[in-house]
Amino acid sequence: EADIYQTPRYLVIGTGKKITLECSQTMGHDKMYWYQQDPGMELHLIHYSYGVNSTEKGDLSSESTVSRIRTEHFPLTLESARPSHTSQYLCASEGQLGSQYFGPGTRLLVL
Amino acid sequence: QKEVEQDPGPLSVPEGAIVSLNCTYSNSAFQYFMWYRQYSRKGPELLMYTYSSGNKEDGRFTAQVDKSSKYISLFIRDSQPSDSATYLCASSSGNTPLVFGKGTRLSVIA
Repeated sequence: EADIYQTPRYLVIGTGKKITLECSQTMGHDKMYWYQQDPGMELHLIHYSYGVNSTEKGDLSSESTVSRIRTEHFPLTLESARPSHTSQYLCASEGQLGSQYFGPGTRLLVL
Repeated sequence: QKEVEQDPGPLSVPEGAIVSLNCTYSNSAFQYFMWYRQYSRKGPELLMYTYSSGNKEDGRFTAQVDKSSKYISLFIRDSQPSDSATYLCASSSGNTPLVFGKGTRLSVIA
């Protein structure tokens, strides 16, 4: 079982604010992922990283950015939050055989 | 067409029933197959994974992959109300990110 943490769990913020969603894992996994998921809807891959200093955009166009300076840490940043960014953001890291382990998620509400 | 197709349901069954959840995929390079369970407002949790064709059993859960027909199945025996969740299938070639199905919402009624 992977240990993967996300903070904050819930965030309510005003339009135009800069926010950073934190994700960290203690398994030493090289590959990490960010997904966006609206309630009852499918997962959308927005960013991924295959290791330190490696970041790629996913299938869903996103105004967020990510960085990977340390193996265990993969933060996601929104420079200027908008109501359209309201969603749940899920972080995952990859273990054996391509299996991904998810964090508990951050539920973001932009007013 | 998505690379992994999954009927979103919802699927409602009585307690004790055998549940069959299914996905199809189109990428012949896929060789890793997984099932995730996601409770409401939680992150998905890995339930089963298999490599290549065949069956894998874990308690009440059986995952089945048929690469010839590109068909993935999850069977739940003696279903319980606690099994009520959304089940997502996922596949990968190993060189690219996992591709997830849309998820099937399951309700087990006591």
